[in-house]
Amino acid sequence: AQKVTQAQTEISVVEKEDVTLDCVYETRDTTYYLFWYKQPPSGELVFLIRRNSFDEQNEISGRYSWNFQKSTSSFNFTITASQVVDSAVYFCALINSGGSNYKLTFGKGTLLTVNP
Amino acid sequence: EPEVTQTPSHQVTQMGQEVILRCVPISNHLYFYWYRQILGQKVEFLVSFYNNEISEKSEIFDDQFSVERPDGSNFTLKIRSTKLEDSAMYFCASSRQGAMGQPQHFGDGTRLSIL
Repeated sequence: AQKVTQAQTEISVVEKEDVTLDCVYETRDTTYYLFWYKQPPSGELVFLIRRNSFDEQNEISGRYSWNFQKSTSSFNFTITASQVVDSAVYFCALINSGGSNYKLTFGKGTLLTVNP
Repeated sequence: EPEVTQTPSHQVTQMGQEVILRCVPISNHLYFYWYRQILGQKVEFLVSFYNNEISEKSEIFDDQFSVERPDGSNFTLKIRSTKLEDSAMYFCASSRQGAMGQPQHFGDGTRLSIL
């Protein structure tokens, strides 16, 4: 079975600070994908990024970057120079092949509040 | 940009009543999903659907639930004889393929309140 753990329940920062959201996952499969989704106060789920298990290269996309480390089963997400509009719940999610038709397994989410 | 649309945005229903939640997936997508999020909790998978049949369902998706694609565009979730614990946000999602790397695109959700 797969599992996603987001240990940080809530994070509060001041605008322009950098913030890192932690995600630790468990899976027995060697082939899987990891995702980050954002849920703003309006409630919708917005896809942000994905990473496959064979590519540990870390990337930066605008103010977003992610750090994928298979050795520690972590997939952390960083927002640089945070803005008030970044305030949302952020979910880490996992898809693996293990017989499943690729259902997403979500973590419990981290509520990020960016204060002006 | 094409998006998944869900109606209604909020549904209030008496316990024991049937409710149908509607979704219009992105037009060239072939895989459809329903997820549920009880207030303040994580998003949970309910069911996936492909080629007019259920491909996978979770333990939450019991006989009370059913899904249907009644025409070429809509994808519905029916809950028979609703219970108080069915109160949640229900998200529809779709993906172009069933491959793992294909992101699932979510609708804005339907907030279901059972009284």
